[in-house]
Amino acid sequence: ETGVTQSPTHLIKTRGQQVTLRCSSQSGHNTVSWYQQALGQGPQFIFQYYREEENGRGNFPPRFSGLQFPNYSSELNVNALELDDSALYLCASSPGGRSSYNEQFFGPGTRLTVL
Amino acid sequence: KQEVTQIPAALSVPEGENLVLNCSFTDSAIYNLQWFRQDPGKGLTSLLLIQSSQREQTSGRLNASLDKSSGRSTLYIAASQPGDSATYLCAPYSGSARQLTFGSGTQLTVLP
Repeated sequence: ETGVTQSPTHLIKTRGQQVTLRCSSQSGHNTVSWYQQALGQGPQFIFQYYREEENGRGNFPPRFSGLQFPNYSSELNVNALELDDSALYLCASSPGGRSSYNEQFFGPGTRLTVL
Repeated sequence: KQEVTQIPAALSVPEGENLVLNCSFTDSAIYNLQWFRQDPGKGLTSLLLIQSSQREQTSGRLNASLDKSSGRSTLYIAASQPGDSATYLCAPYSGSARQLTFGSGTQLTVLP
């Protein structure tokens, strides 16, 4: 069984640019969540996707957007990058539905640096 | 809004000690709570999941308890080893908000 994978591992962008991060969910999982983790802090919830629809959103501006595909993989897009967007971006998948009671499994993350 | 606090922020113990990590949360309307381990610069590894109806869960040397009504969870690590050195994060899951809410974690160092 393949776990959650994310690409790329590391990314360096300049302020104002746009970035796309990718996540492949664990086999059999239809729910994907994205989290941002700044250095020295716990992860913060960005949004969750269930069967290709946004299913919940944290306190992030609209320039953070996402997609989920029919195979349940997902993308996180960030427009107009700011210096404070520098962080580890984590993707998590779970086998549950809209109100998931299930365990969430995290990928290794993408380290984004904005210069 | 859910808020999670983990005490202590850092802990250093000699190998072999039993230890307890504490987690408190403000909103008891949770579906479950997960404990995670994070090595520096890496993703999160799920250690234990406790459903809201459960009082405790065990996996090997790890035991987690949950007191939902008082907003508390503890992670007990028996016979600690240097390989246990990592940051430990607790995260209650709110079904209405569709999210895990994390504390800042406890950074554990086990000295050989």
